[in-house]
Amino acid sequence: QSALTQPASVSGSPGQSITISCTGTSSDVGGYDYVSWYQEPPGKAPKLMIYDVSNRPSGVSNRFSGSKSGNTASLTISGLQAEDETDYYCSSYTRSNTYVFGTGTKVTVL
Amino acid sequence: EVQLLESGGDLVQPGGSLRLSCAASGFTFSSYSMSWVRQAPGKGLEWVSAISGSGDRIYYADSVKGRFTISRDNSRNTLYLQMNSLRAADTALYYCAKFGMGASGSFSHFDYWGQGTLVIVSS
Repeated sequence: QSALTQPASVSGSPGQSITISCTGTSSDVGGYDYVSWYQEPPGKAPKLMIYDVSNRPSGVSNRFSGSKSGNTASLTISGLQAEDETDYYCSSYTRSNTYVFGTGTKVTVL
Repeated sequence: EVQLLESGGDLVQPGGSLRLSCAASGFTFSSYSMSWVRQAPGKGLEWVSAISGSGDRIYYADSVKGRFTISRDNSRNTLYLQMNSLRAADTALYYCAKFGMGASGSFSHFDYWGQGTLVIVSS
């Protein structure tokens, strides 16, 4: 159960778009459309941002979008805002009936 | 409003045991699978275990298999994690998380999280 691979950090200027990748294998990301993304502000519990690759829960800004190609999923934040600066994690269901998280990405707004 | 309140975290010696609890409210507890997720200090999220709504299907991460036991009491709307043979590597903030149902009808993601309870394994 190796963690999914995410870039350690991604940065962008306010108003720009950034994309965070999440790379797994055919046993997890590539095998199922059960990729989700979480935002984790410092000292707070994770918050669901995207589920099932590209679905946005009610209340989540439409600036957040998700996609997947092969074994790599992506989270795009458009119109980057200062409040988006925090940590983000992807997660996927796996062939072993388990779940695996990504290594985490720190987003910095320049 | 969905609320998940973890408790039971403590300082415990290596080899010791601890039972975590998660009191749930604001939804029909027995209808949803639940999970435990942990986060070691300064580290990323790690999925630990999951249990179906009726408790008949249970899954564990390899790192805790054979040492941790997940269970639930639907009459009390409470989720548990019994942790035995604790190691320093088990030191973490333990989150209780509710599964959300995806478009396909599968429990595919974690839609609500508690604030976590801290477990420290140290002599």
